[in-house]
Amino acid sequence: GEDVEQSLFLSVREGDSSVINCTYTDSSSTYLYWYKQEPGAGLQLLTYIFSNMDMKQDQRLTVLLNKKDKHLSLRIADTQTGDSAIYFCAESISGSARQLTFGSGTQLTVLP
Amino acid sequence: GAGVSQSPSNKVTEKGKDVELRCDPISGHTALYWYRQSLGQGLEFLIYFQGNSAPDKSGLPSDRFSAERTGGSVSTLTIQRTQQEDSAVYLCASSPLQAGSNSPLHFGNGTRLTVT
Repeated sequence: GEDVEQSLFLSVREGDSSVINCTYTDSSSTYLYWYKQEPGAGLQLLTYIFSNMDMKQDQRLTVLLNKKDKHLSLRIADTQTGDSAIYFCAESISGSARQLTFGSGTQLTVLP
Repeated sequence: GAGVSQSPSNKVTEKGKDVELRCDPISGHTALYWYRQSLGQGLEFLIYFQGNSAPDKSGLPSDRFSAERTGGSVSTLTIQRTQQEDSAVYLCASSPLQAGSNSPLHFGNGTRLTVT
């Protein structure tokens, strides 16, 4: 079955880089997503990567995909206090009419 | 509206009562999802509506949970005879296309349900 795992907590100092990791089990994943959830809000799509890509960069965000190890990471450069939130990794499978499978989320805390 | 709207934002109910949670998706979005987010846990899929197709109800945890989507737009999630373990944030999301087609989900802010 599908399973997506993340570590629960990460703390970094303001200005440092943050790296949030995710592993998934389904090798037929087509798209992998990173969502951000701020307190009291729903999830907001940050970025996504197609499974035939290794890397995607979007301003301060860099997504790395190791398909062999089924490992996905999100790097946030120059982390700011406004980046403090829960970050969810999610996968979807081509042809699946169903939902995304989400990880449990990583709580990122940015310390001044 | 500009985004997915959910109401109420907070609901406190007594154990055993029924509750209805409402979701108003983005206009024109054919796909609608309900998820449950319990404290410290990820998102648990509940139900998925896609256009006029039969909904995927495979994530509903018990027969106390039901949902409908009228006219392909607004959806209502109903929980009957609520239990304390039903306490969670219920998130609704909509999408113009089905999952797997790189059509991202747009989430509402959720309804925080507390069963006392």
